[in-house]
Amino acid sequence: TQLLEQSPQFLSIQEGENLTVYCNSSSVFSSLQWYRQEPGEGPVLLVTVVTGGEVKKLKRLTFQFGDARKDSSLHITAAQPGDTGLYLCAGDYGNNRLAFGKGNQVVVIP
Amino acid sequence: KAGVTQTPRYLIKTRGQQVTLSCSPISGHRSVSWYQQTPGQGLQFLFEYFSETQRNKGNFPGRFSGRQFSNSRSEMNVSTLELGDSALYLCASSLAGGQNTEAFFGQGTRLTVV
Repeated sequence: TQLLEQSPQFLSIQEGENLTVYCNSSSVFSSLQWYRQEPGEGPVLLVTVVTGGEVKKLKRLTFQFGDARKDSSLHITAAQPGDTGLYLCAGDYGNNRLAFGKGNQVVVIP
Repeated sequence: KAGVTQTPRYLIKTRGQQVTLSCSPISGHRSVSWYQQTPGQGLQFLFEYFSETQRNKGNFPGRFSGRQFSNSRSEMNVSTLELGDSALYLCASSLAGGQNTEAFFGQGTRLTVV
């Protein structure tokens, strides 16, 4: 059973469009991280959200943590080809353990 | 400051053999976690080491084992390799200072079992 469900699994959009991907769980997390992974490489940490309702911005990426700290979303404005990658969310459920979703594969077409 | 280093990057082994993978964490990080990543299952947690002790363990068979040395470097070993063990093995290091863990990953070791 996957602790974190990410949707959609795959998303293909044109350069300049906006997109939103989601990370949902029935569990409460003390924090949640988003990573981006490119083929053949390890995941790279983008952001950590800690407080319910928190919104963090990283250039054109906006991350939101749900009020109940069970879900999160990632919104990309005016997507660029460099945004292409596998976006992974990971929830910290205590004792230094992270649970990962299977990821949102995003492809931005030039 | 140097990132997480995993060696080797690529490995091809035959069924039945055993393999050892290495991970050097970020300087000052005391926790090292190992994950197996496959297209179908995503990232699956193998185990975590902190101060040379296994602190957490995932649901993998006993063929998968690991250890951590006093300098925090870690190794994982897979014995009696099976075709299904083909995967990207990722190591992540963290400070392990409490909650809100942030993991920093290496580039991974791509293991192919033939």
